[in-house]
Amino acid sequence: EDQVTQSPEALRLQEGESSSLNCSYTVSGLRGLFWYRQDPGKGPEFLFTLYSAGEEKEKERLKATLTKKESFLHITAPKPEDSATYLCAVPQYRSWGKLQFGAGTQVVVTP
Amino acid sequence: GAVVSQHPSRVICKSGTSVKIECRSLDFQATTMFWYRQFPKQSLMLMATSNEGSKATYEQGVEKDKFLINHASLTLSTLTVTSAHPEDSSFYICSARVIQEDQPQHFGDGTRLSIL
Repeated sequence: EDQVTQSPEALRLQEGESSSLNCSYTVSGLRGLFWYRQDPGKGPEFLFTLYSAGEEKEKERLKATLTKKESFLHITAPKPEDSATYLCAVPQYRSWGKLQFGAGTQVVVTP
Repeated sequence: GAVVSQHPSRVICKSGTSVKIECRSLDFQATTMFWYRQFPKQSLMLMATSNEGSKATYEQGVEKDKFLINHASLTLSTLTVTSAHPEDSSFYICSARVIQEDQPQHFGDGTRLSIL
């Protein structure tokens, strides 16, 4: 059975304190991995798609990387507006459309 | 681009009422839309896959007679929670994906359903 595990569950950072979030997965034939950001009371907002091991993508202070077993979301010099829950998701076996989500990492950045 | 609109954003109603939630893809066509449920501090759980012009596919444990899904056009899917009870109170979120297989799902802003 496909599994997606995110760690840590929660992360509290000082503004400017860089850190990384982890998403490890066990899926049959990974075809891609998605990162989303979710603010309280809102739907997830798409950040990145990674398709193959070794791929990296960047957006402002966020950088996502992918290996054969896990993905990292690096937050460089975070600001309070980066506070959110970050979710990773992988397509389920034989169904690109059905996503298996991790439980998320709640990030709080304090001034 | 890839904007998904969900309406209403919040519903409070009495037990026994049926509630309809709409999900629209505003700037793209979506042959497939998805309905999720999210409990506090938990991740998204897929309820059903909505296919334009055909019956929805429900996940194991989701009652299809309780959660009616209609996908009448390439830009609109609706979820009706029939005879809602307090245990149906939750955050319901829809998503849509452009037709190309490897494209991400884009999510609406969710509907907070509270059944009294």
